Amino acid sequence: GQQLNQSPQSMFIQEGEDVSMNCTSSSIFNTWLWYKQEPGEGPVLLIALYKAGELTSNGRLTAQFGITRKDSFLNISASIPSDVGIYFCAGQYSGGSNYKLTFGKGTLLTVNP
Amino acid sequence: DTEVTQTPKHLVMGMTNKKSLKCEQHMGHRAMYWYKQKAKKPPELMFVYSYEKLSINESVPSRFSPECPNSSLLNLHLHALQPEDSALYLCASSQTGLRPEAFFGQGTRLTVV
Repeated sequence: GQQLNQSPQSMFIQEGEDVSMNCTSSSIFNTWLWYKQEPGEGPVLLIALYKAGELTSNGRLTAQFGITRKDSFLNISASIPSDVGIYFCAGQYSGGSNYKLTFGKGTLLTVNP
Repeated sequence: DTEVTQTPKHLVMGMTNKKSLKCEQHMGHRAMYWYKQKAKKPPELMFVYSYEKLSINESVPSRFSPECPNSSLLNLHLHALQPEDSALYLCASSQTGLRPEAFFGQGTRLTVV
């Protein structure tokens, strides 16, 4: 089956620093999604990417859909304490009625004020 | 409105109990999902409903029984659960077709005693 490798597993940074995390896949995806999850809450969609090479921003967040369709990265600029949480990438290969998302294992981000 | 509402937020049940989790969305999405999530792990897909019909069952034990009464509602009926079934249960919904990004509810924290 499809597997996603997400790295790093965890990051501990100082407030104001930039953050970068990425996901790579053994197979291609049509869609890449990035979610953030805080303790006791459901994942919240941050950015959705639909085309190879696409670069999309959402405030201080920027994500790109790799041109090989097998990878994606998420950057967070000028981190703040409320950025703390687990960030998950998810990929989907849309075929027929296949709505399955494949999730990475997550990146735990800690921001030191 | 990008809200998926789940009730209850917390549930404690005995191994002989029968309970139900409920999920509601009013975004007009025609795909709805149940995921199970253990601590610090990514969500694991359990069931997918597409146009109110079960389209994916990820080999989930029969003690979990999903139901989709209409396009806005999704239930998960629980019976004779085991302590290892304790987890965060997440409901999600998405459009079908070219915009597959899933929107998650806050989840139900289930504890089986």
